[in-house]
Amino acid sequence: KAGVTQTPRYLIKTRGQQVTLSCSPISGHRSVSWYQQTPGQGLQFLFEYFSETQRNKGNFPGRFSGRQFSNSRSEMNVSTLELGDSALYLCASSPGDDYTQYFGPGTRLTVL
Amino acid sequence: AQTVTQSQPEMSVQEAETVTLSCTYDTSESDYYLFWYKQPPSRQMILVIRQEAYKQQNATENRFSVNFQKAAKSFSLKISDSQLGDAAMYFCAYPRALGGGADGLTFGKGTHLIIQP
Repeated sequence: KAGVTQTPRYLIKTRGQQVTLSCSPISGHRSVSWYQQTPGQGLQFLFEYFSETQRNKGNFPGRFSGRQFSNSRSEMNVSTLELGDSALYLCASSPGDDYTQYFGPGTRLTVL
Repeated sequence: AQTVTQSQPEMSVQEAETVTLSCTYDTSESDYYLFWYKQPPSRQMILVIRQEAYKQQNATENRFSVNFQKAAKSFSLKISDSQLGDAAMYFCAYPRALGGGADGLTFGKGTHLIIQP
């Protein structure tokens, strides 16, 4: 099976703009989770979607949002970008039965 | 909330030798899963090994094995015959919440493993 794919791989934005990142899970996986990775805070959970419903959300402001489509593909959106949003954003999919997460290559977002 | 602690920010080992990375966690659950992930310079997170808490036997995947001490809430990763390709950040992880099968993971801060040729 093909692995988790994320697009774009790299992105440069300026403060105040908004950005949308995309994630396609492994075929058959219905759960998609998003993480933010920064040198200071490490890996932090953003949110998790299952069958188009957000089941859980981490401790992030409302500027961070996401959605999942009927084919399990997911997007996350960050509005009004801040310098501190510069990070590696990782998407992971899971079959949903044993907590194992399979990660994509990530999207490197730089906010100038 | 569950916490995962990796007390070794960095470890160094000679190629072909054995190294053990430490991880402790805090939980009140009796049945759960634990994971080790590897993140090489490419930044791709790769699953190394998984342990199910109800299983007495320590998980093994080729040169990678765990020492799971449930009572001590310890979950260390042993890498035998270290290879240059093992150089990476290693993260220990635990499910954020149990009962749904997939709810995201809580990660430790990571251990940077350096392999000396």
